[in-house]
Amino acid sequence: AQSVTQLGSHVSVSEGALVLLRCNYSSSVPPYLFWYVQYPNQGLQLLLKYTSAATLVKGINGFEAEFKKSETSFHLTKPSAHMSDAAEYFCAVTSNRDDKIIFGKGTRLHILP
Amino acid sequence: KAGVTQTPRYLIKTRGQQVTLSCSPISGHRSVSWYQQTPGQGLQFLFEYFSETQRNKGNFPGRFSGRQFSNSRSEMNVSTLELGDSALYLCASSPDRGVQETQYFGPGTRLLVL
Repeated sequence: AQSVTQLGSHVSVSEGALVLLRCNYSSSVPPYLFWYVQYPNQGLQLLLKYTSAATLVKGINGFEAEFKKSETSFHLTKPSAHMSDAAEYFCAVTSNRDDKIIFGKGTRLHILP
Repeated sequence: KAGVTQTPRYLIKTRGQQVTLSCSPISGHRSVSWYQQTPGQGLQFLFEYFSETQRNKGNFPGRFSGRQFSNSRSEMNVSTLELGDSALYLCASSPDRGVQETQYFGPGTRLLVL
């Protein structure tokens, strides 16, 4: 069965600092991996997705993630945090064998002035 | 293009009642999925509809059901409501089926069961 673990339900970074949100997955077959962002009172919006092409995936708003099969990780990064990045971020996994998408519990990102 | 719309946005019901939530996908999208979001359980997949057929179902009791119409609009129904059904219900649409498809989410319907 597939699973996703997001380390840290809350992460705080200073404005201008590096953002690193961690995601580890479990899948017995090649996975497809996603990062979604949810702003207050809104639905989820796709940031980026990995579908077995390039291992370094660039997304919107300056975010990127690197697929590391050996570490079963798909961490999300952004070089310089902006106040508008404050939101909840969800990592998700699916595959061709089991096309039910599994979401992590989410990480709430706080940006400190 | 207009985004995914969900109605109503907020709903208050009492235990034992039933509720129907509506979702209009982005024009041209044929797949609609439903999710339940709660603080304790996070985001959980309910079911997916494609071409008016349920293609996939999560681990929810039979009280949760849905349907999709020929114009791809979808409804979700919960019968015999329980307190634990209080949640944000999200609908997402995608152009086609397939695990690689990006899902476009609506703003959700917040259901409170008293």
